[in-house]
Amino acid sequence: GQNIDQPTEMTATEGAIVQINCTYQTSGFNGLFWYQQHAGEAPTFLSYNVLDGLEEKGRFSSFLSRSKGYSYLLLKELQMKDSASYLCAVNYGQNFVFGPGTRLSVLP
Amino acid sequence: EAGVAQSPRYKIIEKRQSVAFWCNPISGHATLYWYQQILGQGPKLLIQFQNNGVVDDSQLPKDRFSAERLKGVDSTLKIQPAKLEDSAVYLCASSLEDYWGGGAKRNIQYFGAGTRLSVL
Repeated sequence: GQNIDQPTEMTATEGAIVQINCTYQTSGFNGLFWYQQHAGEAPTFLSYNVLDGLEEKGRFSSFLSRSKGYSYLLLKELQMKDSASYLCAVNYGQNFVFGPGTRLSVLP
Repeated sequence: EAGVAQSPRYKIIEKRQSVAFWCNPISGHATLYWYQQILGQGPKLLIQFQNNGVVDDSQLPKDRFSAERLKGVDSTLKIQPAKLEDSAVYLCASSLEDYWGGGAKRNIQYFGAGTRLSVL
């Protein structure tokens, strides 16, 4: 199978930094996406990695290590509106597999 | 630019009834996806179309679920007959392949608001 693992829940404080990890099976890997999903809403695209290294986009950064089958999403200067689920999705060939999502709660 | 449109937003039916969902993707997007998202889980791909051809339907329960994308634009997903475990949000997404800075092909998916189905 093409299992993707993420922590189920995380809690952090407003203004802090949080790292959400994602591990996946490397065979057939063709790119990794991070999506944000607020409760009751559709997922929205955050970032894409296909090469090793860090992609930075404002307060959000995403890292990929293809050999380790590992990615993380780094959220800086957390705001209350960042409370949401964060989904890691892997592109295998033409197929997409989503992880279970990590529910992040940002506390004041 | 208009986003992915889905209807209805909510549907309540009794088990063994049938139901249909409709999706209109972003104009020009060749690829269309239907996902099932059960509360607290990530989306599970049911079927993926490239224009009006099926790319992947390996996780579609074909004894009760069917989908079509006529003319490579709008799509409908049908469940007949529905079971209690079909209660979920059904998400439609579309994508247009582009090339990322490193030269790799990329398909960013844009999601509709979803249809929340409750089977009683």
